[in-house]
Amino acid sequence: GQNIDQPTEMTATEGAIVQINCTYQTSGFNGLFWYQQHAGEAPTFLSYNVLDGLEEKGRFSSFLSRSKGYSYLLLKELQMKDSASYLCAVLDSNYQLIWGAGTKLIIKP
Amino acid sequence: NAGVTQTPKFQVLKTGQSMTLQCAQDMNHEYMSWYRQDPGMGLRLIHYSVGAGITDQGEVPNGYNVSRSTTEDFPLRLLSAAPSQTSVYFCASSRQENEKLFFGSGSQLCFL
Repeated sequence: GQNIDQPTEMTATEGAIVQINCTYQTSGFNGLFWYQQHAGEAPTFLSYNVLDGLEEKGRFSSFLSRSKGYSYLLLKELQMKDSASYLCAVLDSNYQLIWGAGTKLIIKP
Repeated sequence: NAGVTQTPKFQVLKTGQSMTLQCAQDMNHEYMSWYRQDPGMGLRLIHYSVGAGITDQGEVPNGYNVSRSTTEDFPLRLLSAAPSQTSVYFCASSRQENEKLFFGSGSQLCFL
């Protein structure tokens, strides 16, 4: 079966750095997405990786290793507004998105 | 920029009732989809469409129906609502199925 694993919950301190991991086992691979979802709101797009390596976008970076079935989202200089759930999703060989259950990130002052 | 407009935001249903969730996008996106989101689970695809006149089933299609008569609109119909359909529903669209999704604001369905 297809599976996406990410930690259920993480806690970090304002101003710090946090890394949210995502491992996947899917039927084929056509890219990996990260979305941010604030409580009671819709997911919004953060990043897309299809090749191995690091993609940097401001305070957020996303890394992909296709051989290891692994990605991480790195958030730097954490702000209180970064408190949200972070969703990892993989596009499989049929171009269907397989979603992880999400990681709830709690930021403490 | 309206983006993806989804209505209603909240609905209380009775078992056996039918209802339609409306979804419209103004970005000329070919790909549209419906998801349900339940606590502790990833988003699950209900139905999707790769263009006007084309629809297909996702992971959890039973009890739901869709149509895509225009590029802009993609309504989701609950045929005979059941308590198992208590969930938050999201409509989403993208230019193509391998590109980033834009989500509607969500619809919470509850049962009496």
